[in-house]
Amino acid sequence: QSVLTQPPSVSAAPGQNVTISCSGTTSNIGSSYVSWYVQLPGRGPRLLISDDDERPSGIPDRFSVSKSGTSATLGITGLQTGDEADYYCGTWDIRLSVAVFGGGTKLTVL
Amino acid sequence: QVQLQESGPGLVKPSETLSLTCAVSGYSIDSGYYLAWIRQSPGKGLEYIGSIHHSGSTYRNPSLQSRVTISLDTSKNHLSLRLTSVTAADTAVYYCARRGQPGVFNFWGQGTLVAVSS
Repeated sequence: QSVLTQPPSVSAAPGQNVTISCSGTTSNIGSSYVSWYVQLPGRGPRLLISDDDERPSGIPDRFSVSKSGTSATLGITGLQTGDEADYYCGTWDIRLSVAVFGGGTKLTVL
Repeated sequence: QVQLQESGPGLVKPSETLSLTCAVSGYSIDSGYYLAWIRQSPGKGLEYIGSIHHSGSTYRNPSLQSRVTISLDTSKNHLSLRLTSVTAADTAVYYCARRGQPGVFNFWGQGTLVAVSS
C-alpha cells in the first residue's frame, strides 16, 4: 500500500495529451516538493521533473508538473510511443520523515 | 557527470545480513548532498530505505529502522547499506540515489537485484 495514490494505468493515442494524478496529504504533497520519475522496462527510475523547477537536461518541455493542495499532476503533451513507461510520483513526508512514493502508473501509447 | 553504481551479492540466505555498496563518481560525497537507498520489490513500487549526509544526519524508514545501517566512506567516495535478518520480503532491486530537495532524487544508480533464498 503506497502512501501516495496514482491510477494504475492510463492510455492515449500518439499525439494526444495525457495527465497522471498523484494524491497525498497535507504532511507530504501539501508540504514538500513533488517529483516525477520515469521507469522504462528493465531499467532503473530516473528523475523526469519536479515542481522545484528541476528538469534534467534532455527532458523536453512536453512534460509538465502542477500541484494544488494535496494533489499533483504530471502532464504529457504530444504523446510518443517512446513515452510508454511506468511513472512514479514522490515527495517527502514531514510527519514520517521519509520519502514516499506512489504505486506507479503504467502509460500505454495506443 | 554524476554516476552511481551499486554492487553486492545477488543472493543472500534468510536470517543473514545483506550488504551493498554504492560507488559514487562525478562529485565528492562530502560536498553536501544526501545519498539514499531505495528498493523495488519485483513487480512493485518504490520503497524508501533511508538516507545519509556527510554531516552524520541520517533518516531511516521506520518500517526498516531496527534492521538498517547506512554509512558513508568519504575516503572511497561510496555509500553502504547493511540490512540484517533478511527474509524473502527483502528480495528487491536496490538503488542508490542522490537527493536534491527533500524527496527529490536527481540521480540514480542502475540498481542491483538481491534475492533472499536458501
